Amino acid sequence: GESVGLHLPTLSVQEGDNSIINCAYSNSASDYFIWYKQESGKGPQFIIDIRSNMDKRQGQRVTVLLNKTVKHLSLQIAATQPGDSAVYFCAERGDDKIIFGKGTRLHILP
Amino acid sequence: DGGITQSPKYLFRKEGQNVTLSCEQNLNHDAMYWYRQDPGQGLRLIYYSQIVNDFQKGDIAEGYSVSREKKESFPLTVTSAQKNPTAFYLCASSIKRGTYNEQFFGPGTRLTVL
Repeated sequence: GESVGLHLPTLSVQEGDNSIINCAYSNSASDYFIWYKQESGKGPQFIIDIRSNMDKRQGQRVTVLLNKTVKHLSLQIAATQPGDSAVYFCAERGDDKIIFGKGTRLHILP
Repeated sequence: DGGITQSPKYLFRKEGQNVTLSCEQNLNHDAMYWYRQDPGQGLRLIYYSQIVNDFQKGDIAEGYSVSREKKESFPLTVTSAQKNPTAFYLCASSIKRGTYNEQFFGPGTRLTVL
């Protein structure tokens, strides 16, 4: 069946370093992908999205890479800051459904 | 400020009671959604509505009910038939369902059944 998952449940990164959060998806028909950030006790916030006709999209300090060959999505955060500490999860839209991954907790080391 | 509001932030319920969670949006979005979030799991869709007076079951609709009498409002009722209602409930909206538009989420309501 369809699944969206993350390779690591927790990622610890030194402040100032770059973070890379990965996501695997299984529905090759998915045409739209979104990354969300969720801080503790709050609702998810949109970070960046990408359509399946693109390989890369950049935002402010964030980059999303899409590799359709291996059905892999990644979120890169440049110069990670304490405020980046949160759970990040990806979502895919395929067959008119949006499926959310379980999330990766990003922990910032001082 | 445009956005989605959910109330209350925390809600406690005794077993056997129905409870209604509020969700309001002033983004003029057509589509609204309710999700349930449990620890270690992704968001699971309970119900969604694409237009006023219309709504559809999601993946885990049993024990829940909704209404969409106004475009701005999409309340969720957790009934006594829901066997495990303790969870974090998230409401979301989007311009339309099935388009390249992200869903905007509210702050969530944490429901605890005592």
